[in-house]
Amino acid sequence: DAKTTQPNSMESNEEEPVHLPCNHSTISGTDYIHWYRQLPSQGPEYVIHGLTSNVNNRMASLAIAEDRKSSTLILHRATLRDAAVYYCILRVNFGNEKLTFGTGTRLTIIP
Amino acid sequence: GAVVSQHPSRVICKSGTSVKIECRSLDFQATTMFWYRQFPKQSLMLMATSNEGSKATYEQGVEKDKFLINHASLTLSTLTVTSAHPEDSSFYICSARDGAKGGNTIYFGEGSWLTVV
Repeated sequence: DAKTTQPNSMESNEEEPVHLPCNHSTISGTDYIHWYRQLPSQGPEYVIHGLTSNVNNRMASLAIAEDRKSSTLILHRATLRDAAVYYCILRVNFGNEKLTFGTGTRLTIIP
Repeated sequence: GAVVSQHPSRVICKSGTSVKIECRSLDFQATTMFWYRQFPKQSLMLMATSNEGSKATYEQGVEKDKFLINHASLTLSTLTVTSAHPEDSSFYICSARDGAKGGNTIYFGEGSWLTVV
């Protein structure tokens, strides 16, 4: 599986935007970039995914570099409820492929 | 609301006994479910892939005879930890893919805390 690299931890002030980076220099042409987050004592929660173009949904935005070797998850206005571990995962879009989790980024929101 | 549900959310069992954890897809059919284990402050580790109507596929280093997986229907997979020991205490999480929703979204259960005493 292609590997992703994320900072171990980040902090952000409440109500400010947060940019969570992810490097995936060995990404292949069939890999989608997925983001999940895990709140304390809960299972992971899907956030967003994309292939080449930037993506927006109600939770976040995903900015993908032109060469696809990196991406950034953007939380436009962080709240305390966004404090979680954020995982950037590469996955091909063929049915039942497993998700392999790295160490993720632990996001702390400062009130 | 949750589309993948696990039960129980917390369980305490005595060392040497077996404990079963259920994973249900609530409003979709899942031919494949995945089981993960997560120790405190660590990431999720995939244990096995559960296939409806056939044998599970275990990741390297996971004992198939200790972690029994059954996927008898399209909405239910179970993980049985046999002869549990304190080192099996962990957070167990299942996930399933909703193929009807474009095939790209995997949903996770709420997780099950297992404590072996």
